[in-house]
Amino acid sequence: DSGVTQTPKHLITATGQRVTLRCSPRSGDLSVYWYQQSLDQGLQFLIQYYNGEERAKGNILERFSAQQFPDLHSELNLSSLELGDSALYFCASSVLSWGLGSTDTQYFGPGTRLTVL
Amino acid sequence: GENVEQHPSTLSVQEGDSAVIKCTYSDSASNYFPWYKQELGKRPQLIIDIRSNVGEKKDQRIAVTLNKTAKHFSLHITETQPEDSAVYFCAASGAAAGNKLTFGGGTRVLVKP
Repeated sequence: DSGVTQTPKHLITATGQRVTLRCSPRSGDLSVYWYQQSLDQGLQFLIQYYNGEERAKGNILERFSAQQFPDLHSELNLSSLELGDSALYFCASSVLSWGLGSTDTQYFGPGTRLTVL
Repeated sequence: GENVEQHPSTLSVQEGDSAVIKCTYSDSASNYFPWYKQELGKRPQLIIDIRSNVGEKKDQRIAVTLNKTAKHFSLHITETQPEDSAVYFCAASGAAAGNKLTFGGGTRVLVKP
């Protein structure tokens, strides 16, 4: 167990709908990262938050958005869902942040499997 | 941005043999290189990592080597066991890129008993 929690474990929804995925980082970790894993795209970085602020963006679609709350949990919102959004969504957390001059270890949560029908 | 290539995509070894997975990266500013093991449907689990100020690191049957000049790093698993069967991902990151991990495409390792 990495200490990172994600809910729900599974989510089945229809095209055009909107869903929210939730992540709680390890105790003491200030950074949260979201990754998407699909069969044909591998593990792709979506977005990073540090202590409530967006720090880095990857290949995140405009239909997707995220935020990190004062208690440091994060939510990833996916809207106008398409069949191709079906994937495993992982969040990871780490202690340090971008800009502090060093890199740090990221621990992954169990993921949310999203199926869009 | 960073690009990480990983080879081979699949690897089949006999139990007890060694397995080697190789990765190359493109961004010379990357300075952190973790390896993750992922079993089907589960989260990536960190198995070993190396930072750019070190050339080699070992942890029991697992070792990682880094060649900064050539921009490649490798995972070595010795005395493979059936429970080593999984998908292995290499990744690279650097503070300048916000510490985000750029992953290789993964290597599916099958250890045959």
